[in-house]
Amino acid sequence: DAGVIQSPRHEVTEMGQEVTLRCKPISGHDYLFWYRQTMMRGLELLIYFNNNVPIDDSGMPEDRFSAKMPNASFSTLKIQPSEPRDSAVYFCASSLEGSDTEAFFGQGTRLTVV
Amino acid sequence: QQPVQSPQAVILREGEDAVINCSSSKALYSVHWYRQKHGEAPVFLMILLKGGEQKGHDKISASFNEKKQQSSLYLTASQLSYSGTYFCGTDGSSNTGKLIFGQGTTLQVKP
Repeated sequence: DAGVIQSPRHEVTEMGQEVTLRCKPISGHDYLFWYRQTMMRGLELLIYFNNNVPIDDSGMPEDRFSAKMPNASFSTLKIQPSEPRDSAVYFCASSLEGSDTEAFFGQGTRLTVV
Repeated sequence: QQPVQSPQAVILREGEDAVINCSSSKALYSVHWYRQKHGEAPVFLMILLKGGEQKGHDKISASFNEKKQQSSLYLTASQLSYSGTYFCGTDGSSNTGKLIFGQGTTLQVKP
């Protein structure tokens, strides 16, 4: 398996634009996580899914952020409208059976909002 | 509830040992340890589960004190390749799948 695949790897956008980040988890993994990493706040859990269903989105900063998982092999994180403070590295991770199995991280998307 | 890691940073010489601690204010089901090198994704090191089960690399050791809600990662005879930021991630008292990470401990190993 190629691991967790995220796209794009880098994204530069202007404030106010819509940004969509994509993730393909490892086949067969039931859990999918979206994390945001910044120097100030560390690695924050934004939302996670179990079997394509959002379980906990309490980490989503505000209504500008939304995430979907239409099927077992694809998830998106959308920011609309984007703001400079959204600049961060966004990681997607997947695991086989929740927190008693390891999480595999994608390479991340570095988002810069100017 | 985010777990708290200590120390925030460590500088070692090759061959020296280090301990990184992770504590939670809540009961824990599992503790994960990951290492992240600059510009890369976090990489799995170990899982410690309530009840004593451990999964991970043979060369990494860690402990999990369920009563104290604490875990420690032991890095012995450190090598240059051990440098990076170490994160502990915790799940609450049942297997919810929700993995919350601490703020990280930066380890630098010098020749």
